[in-house]
This record gives sequence, C-alpha cells and structure tokens, in this order.
Amino acid sequence: SQELEQSPQSLIVQEGKNLTINCTSSKTLYGLYWYKQKYGEGLIFLMMLQKGGEEKSHEKITAKLDEKKQQSSLHITASQPSHAGIYLCGAATNRDDKIIFGKGTRLHILP
Amino acid sequence: GAVVSQHPSRVICKSGTSVKIECRSLDFQATTMFWYRQFPKQSLMLMATSNEGSKATYEQGVEKDKFLINHASLTLSTLTVTSAHPEDSSFYICSAGTSGIGGTDTQYFGPGTRLTVL
Repeated sequence: SQELEQSPQSLIVQEGKNLTINCTSSKTLYGLYWYKQKYGEGLIFLMMLQKGGEEKSHEKITAKLDEKKQQSSLHITASQPSHAGIYLCGAATNRDDKIIFGKGTRLHILP
Repeated sequence: GAVVSQHPSRVICKSGTSVKIECRSLDFQATTMFWYRQFPKQSLMLMATSNEGSKATYEQGVEKDKFLINHASLTLSTLTVTSAHPEDSSFYICSAGTSGIGGTDTQYFGPGTRLTVL
C-alpha cells in the first residue's frame, strides 16, 4: 500500500525565519497536494503539483515536486504568525484515486 | 469555486444512538465522494470511497456495518455512524471529486463535522 511520510512532525520557528516541510511517497505520484488546517476546521488548499520538477508559489509559500514525482517540499519564506497551523501533504497515485494524507506537520511561529 | 457543505457542523449524541452526517456538493456534480476521520493531533485517515449509485469501498480496518455510507445522488453522500460509542468521537471530513478532465485535481473538501459521543 502507498505510504506517505511527512517530516518534521512538529516545527517551531522564530518569526521571520524560513522553513521547509518534506513529504515523501513510496510510489510515483499522479498528484501531490498541500493543505493547511487548524484542527477541528476544514482544509485550506494551498497547491497541487503534478509534473516532475514542478514548482509553484503562493505568496510566501513555495512547493516543489522532484523529477521522480515521489518527493515534495514546502518552503515558507520569512514566516509570519499567520503561517502557524497544521500542514498536510496528500497524494494520489492515479487520476481518479483517493488522496492519502501524511501525518501532518504542526508549525508554531514564535513572535 | 466549487463548494462542499457538511451538516451538521457539530453534533453531540448519547452512546448507542445513530448519527447521520450529510455531505453536499453545492454547485457541481460529484461522481465520487470520500470520507475521512481525524483524531486529535492526528492526520486525516481515509475511511471509504463512495461512487454515486454503487456501494462504498471501505479502507482496511473500517467497519462497513458501523459506518454506513450512502451516495444516492451526484450531490449528496451521507455517513451514518450506527450505535455510536465514545471512541467514535472524532472530526469527520468529506470531500467530493469530479471525474473528467480534472480528475482528482478537482477534489474539494467540506468544512468537517465534529462528533462527540457521550
């Protein structure tokens, strides 16, 4: 079965610093998704990556997918308190397949 | 953009009762809907996949007789937690996907339902 490893599980960063969250799949992916969530609330879609080597940015958040389409990183530049939350990577191995999620990364931003 | 709603957003019930959660795609037709649950401080875990007009496909370890899923129309799927127990207390999130050009590119998540079983 597909496994999705996300690291780190928890991250505490000083405001203004950069940070990176990683997500690795045991299989080649059709699509890799990044979401943000506060527990008990819905998911906020950040971005989706499909092509090997693809990179997308939204404001200060950049996500990349490696050429093999098995590993992705989410990078936040100059972190702000609003970035705090749970970041989840999700992956699908086929076009019509379900999305399987990683265990999430809890990001805390220190003022 | 596409919107998925869930109802209720929060429910408290007594142990032994059944609870129904609705998931609706408001402005698009969802050929496939997914149900996830999330325990405190944990990630989302897929429970089942439902396709309109057919039986749901459950993930390993999920009791299909306890978590009844019905996908009667292209805009509505329901999850019924039967004979609920305190350990069923969780946050349940549905998502709706569209087939076609978008495929799973267009999977939209509902806001979730927090179930508390006393």
